[in-house]
Amino acid sequence: AQSVTQLDSQVPVFEEAPVELRCNYSSSVSVYLFWYVQYPNQGLQLLLKYLSGSTLVKGINGFEAEFNKSQTSFHLRKPSVHISDTAEYFCAVRRGGSEKLVFGKGTKLTVNP
Amino acid sequence: ETGVTQSPTHLIKTRGQQVTLRCSSQSGHNTVSWYQQALGQGPQFIFQYYREEENGRGNFPPRFSGLQFPNYSSELNVNALELDDSALYLCASSLDRSSPLHFGNGTRLTVT
Repeated sequence: AQSVTQLDSQVPVFEEAPVELRCNYSSSVSVYLFWYVQYPNQGLQLLLKYLSGSTLVKGINGFEAEFNKSQTSFHLRKPSVHISDTAEYFCAVRRGGSEKLVFGKGTKLTVNP
Repeated sequence: ETGVTQSPTHLIKTRGQQVTLRCSSQSGHNTVSWYQQALGQGPQFIFQYYREEENGRGNFPPRFSGLQFPNYSSELNVNALELDDSALYLCASSLDRSSPLHFGNGTRLTVT
């Protein structure tokens, strides 16, 4: 069965610092990868997705992620964070031909002034 | 473009009762998926409906059931509620079975 590991449950950073949220997935022949953000008391919003093509994917709010097939990773990065980026971030994977998304347990990003 | 809306936002039920949660998908989205998010966890796939038929199911018992209607609305029904059913229930719609999901804000269910 497909699985997703988010290596850090909590990441505190200062405003304007860079951040990387790590995500590893169990290997599969073909996978589609996603990062979602969840603000308090809200649903999930799609940040970015990797379906095929360039391994560097740019998303909303200045976030980007790099698909690394050999390391089965899909780490999320932002060069300079804002207070408003404080939220929980979920990495998710869907195996080709499957209808379901498998989520990691989430990483809580806290941006401090 | 209307988003995905869910009702109610919060609900409190007693163990053993039954509950119906509702979702209105984005117009044109003929696929709806339901996820359960327990506190401190990532969402877990319950099932997906495509054109009013169940298209896939996660590791949830039969007391979790669903319906999808032609007007882009759908329901999640849970019978014989248990304390562990307390969670945020998320509805997500997509254009088709392989497109990215658009989530609603969820229904927070508390079972006492």
